[in-house]
Amino acid sequence: IAGITQAPTSQILAAGRRMTLRCTQDMRHNAMYWYRQDLGLGLRLIHYSNTAGTTGKGEVPDGYSVSRANTDDFPLTLASAVPSQTSVYFCASSRTSGGADTQYFGPGTRLTVL
Amino acid sequence: GQNIDQPTEMTATEGAIVQINCTYQTSGFNGLFWYQQHAGEAPTFLSYNVLDGLEEKGRFSSFLSRSKGYSYLLLKELQMKDSASYLCAVSSNDYKLSFGAGTTVTVRA
Repeated sequence: IAGITQAPTSQILAAGRRMTLRCTQDMRHNAMYWYRQDLGLGLRLIHYSNTAGTTGKGEVPDGYSVSRANTDDFPLTLASAVPSQTSVYFCASSRTSGGADTQYFGPGTRLTVL
Repeated sequence: GQNIDQPTEMTATEGAIVQINCTYQTSGFNGLFWYQQHAGEAPTFLSYNVLDGLEEKGRFSSFLSRSKGYSYLLLKELQMKDSASYLCAVSSNDYKLSFGAGTTVTVRA
């Protein structure tokens, strides 16, 4: 593994189903983030984690939950998917949560909720 | 909330110069980033400005004026591979990034 990986690459999901998007980084970065990207809206922060064991809410957290049991992994869970959660989801990480640290993005998961 | 504006689309000819403007109104300021995103791919880091002035990195330069809440990304000697979306992002008081909607640049032969 080099950098950040996400799984699955894409998924079609029935409304009401539970889904976990996986994110793993091997850079030993302390901070990790989940964004969704929708046409015309840009990237919006869903949840973040400044360090293992802590999480926080971003701009659009409703309907999503995260956990950060260790440094490398930061899964995003949709408890009961709805069509408005159709989007491209990007995981990112940075060395620290400080404002000057560059965020590095994973390849993304394209999710369609029907 | 944060307000970050950039043009939706720009078109330019191969070999030309294009300037992508970004204006912002945020709660505090801890730096401004530019990212490049090719269609279907992840955003990749281009530049970071925290002090006023011009930062040059090869064919790409980024400028910042904190007093005006303004930045631009300058792409010189355009190549076909520069066709992509360019995202302006501001780090504000809480050190989280707020992104603009992105500017899609199309380079024509």
